[in-house]
Amino acid sequence: DTAVSQTPKYLVTQMGNDKSIKCEQNLGHDTMYWYKQDSKKFLKIMFSYNNKELIINETVPNRFSPKSPDKAHLNLHINSLELGDSAVYFCASSQDSKGNKQPQHFGDGTRLSIL
Amino acid sequence: DAKTTQPPSMDCAEGRAANLPCNHSTISGNEYVYWYRQIHSQGPQYIIHGLKNNETNEMASLIITEDRKSSTLILPHATLRDTAVYYCIVRVGSKSTFGDGTTLTVKP
Repeated sequence: DTAVSQTPKYLVTQMGNDKSIKCEQNLGHDTMYWYKQDSKKFLKIMFSYNNKELIINETVPNRFSPKSPDKAHLNLHINSLELGDSAVYFCASSQDSKGNKQPQHFGDGTRLSIL
Repeated sequence: DAKTTQPPSMDCAEGRAANLPCNHSTISGNEYVYWYRQIHSQGPQYIIHGLKNNETNEMASLIITEDRKSSTLILPHATLRDTAVYYCIVRVGSKSTFGDGTTLTVKP
């Protein structure tokens, strides 16, 4: 069983469109994350949610809006897509946002390409 | 979060131990050292973590210096499938800041 699953795996769309990426974890974790990995392979955190509440927002444009309907899901909606949004987006989860002892488990990524 | 410094690349012969160093000279007392790796086109994979004691699991060993300013990840018997980018991260709370990592190439 896949622990952290993201859909779609590939997303190709035109500039200006609105798109969503979905993430689900079946690990029973209470914290979920979105990371962006650009063409230089630099992996940067975007958002973190703990029990459906936003706890990290790393100066991401407000075109990006995360939504957590329950603690097992964290979706990412992107409005008015721009060329610079092309990247691989990774979802992750961990057990405890305050504790240091719990590692993050990552999904396989969504490869977003803007034409 | 404290910054980490890793060599950009390393090679290792198959079957030999791979020792990956990491400097974290500004680490604070409550920050843990985590290691992840990313195999091409996959999501980062957790390897091991520690605070100040050395740690070992089925994948690797983590050696942390007494002053905690550096650490070494040891893959005892590297295989071709261990070729990946290895990230050393110091972390407090939920935020993990990934650096550039070390690209380890295991050669036959």
